Amino acid sequence: QVPLQESGPGLLKPSETLSLTCTVSDGSITSHYWTWIRQPPGKGLEWIGHLHYGGNANYNPSLRSRVTISLDTAKNQVSLRLSSVTAADTAVYFCARLKTAGGMDRWGRGTLVTVSS
Amino acid sequence: DVVLTQSPDSLAVSLGERATINCKSSQSVLNSLNKGNYLAWYQQKPGQPPKLLFYWGSSREFGVPDRFSGGGSETDFSLTISSLQAEDVAVYYCQQYSSTPYTFGQGTRLEIK
Repeated sequence: QVPLQESGPGLLKPSETLSLTCTVSDGSITSHYWTWIRQPPGKGLEWIGHLHYGGNANYNPSLRSRVTISLDTAKNQVSLRLSSVTAADTAVYFCARLKTAGGMDRWGRGTLVTVSS
Repeated sequence: DVVLTQSPDSLAVSLGERATINCKSSQSVLNSLNKGNYLAWYQQKPGQPPKLLFYWGSSREFGVPDRFSGGGSETDFSLTISSLQAEDVAVYYCQQYSSTPYTFGQGTRLEIK
């Protein structure tokens, strides 16, 4: 069983809302910070934001007006919503766990989201 | 935002030779209270997610071979592979978690010469 597994639509049209879910199977999501990161095809990594259970989310200012990260403790899932997508949001989206000492030690395999009309 | 600049952008090293990748931060990532450098290194192979190699700048993640070492402090860091193996071909990224937004270096592509 994969510890972290992202899921969601792979193709969106411009202006639609991206909604992804990360299912965590190796421990409760009430510990650790849970992070979303994206990687445009052939490019580097961009931190989207993170959230800790019972805490406030931190978002990349470049996306803050469009992004929401939330936790569903009943399903042990971490969710990402990104509104008003454009082609620039085309990327592989990863969820990851931030370990207490720092660094992200658990990653999902990533899911490719393509924005195209 | 903290800007991380890696050098070189790409590197070709012979098998068994040393490879060194540098990461320079626009601001110190040293925490004055706990004296920890809030910097991590990752390895990413094609089609895979990044893999954590080091945190606190030089603390090796469990399972990472000891031919890998991380060093540096404040604004200047390095990742060294003492004897390059074929399976080390990858893109390597540094990342700071000193302040949000967390940022990554642009990546260094490591190949076999």
